[in-house]
Amino acid sequence: DTGVSQNPRHKITKRGQNVTFRCDPISEHNRLYWYRQTLGQGPEFLTYFQNEAQLEKSRLLSDRFSAERPKGSFSTLEIQRTEQGDSAMYLCASSLRRIEGEAFFGQGTRLTVV
Amino acid sequence: TQLLEQSPQFLSIQEGENLTVYCNSSSVFSSLQWYRQEPGEGPVLLVTVVTGGEVKKLKRLTFQFGDARKDSSLHITAAQPGDTGLYLCAGGDMRFGAGTRLTVKP
Repeated sequence: DTGVSQNPRHKITKRGQNVTFRCDPISEHNRLYWYRQTLGQGPEFLTYFQNEAQLEKSRLLSDRFSAERPKGSFSTLEIQRTEQGDSAMYLCASSLRRIEGEAFFGQGTRLTVV
Repeated sequence: TQLLEQSPQFLSIQEGENLTVYCNSSSVFSSLQWYRQEPGEGPVLLVTVVTGGEVKKLKRLTFQFGDARKDSSLHITAAQPGDTGLYLCAGGDMRFGAGTRLTVKP
């Protein structure tokens, strides 16, 4: 296991289209986080899972965003009816629950909505 | 949500200079992490501090956790161009500050 893997690395989509991103965490990690990051800003928390349970979702996340982690392994983040303001880097991280706050990040998926 | 404020937002220095960046909050944290992020990549964990007053060293980087566990600092000695990047602090709840963007010029 070489770390957290995110696919695709880049995605260009037209406004109004739906997009889905995938994150494969480090295999023994039970926590998985999604973040959105825009240029010059820190990662903005979107949601997190412990195993397959989605335990927290940011109020900033509109109902166009949904995330799943069906078997407690990989996760998907879907954005419906994309808007230009959704253009950002989407980051996934995973961690072991017993090591509070120590997470390993993937390289991210850069979304451009045109 | 425990908010973290980082300062300065931007810092540009010459190679060989020393610098300190700060991470502050009004909340108490059980732990605090520092990450470094390079363009186009995800953040990479540098250190976790847990105990109030704790000091950890990582080569030329010195991390300190405030006695009250509300703030932290990162000091870099003799900065090098390879230290260039976005330095982020995060609380134990995995919420991040906005970061300090450091540029070290050769």
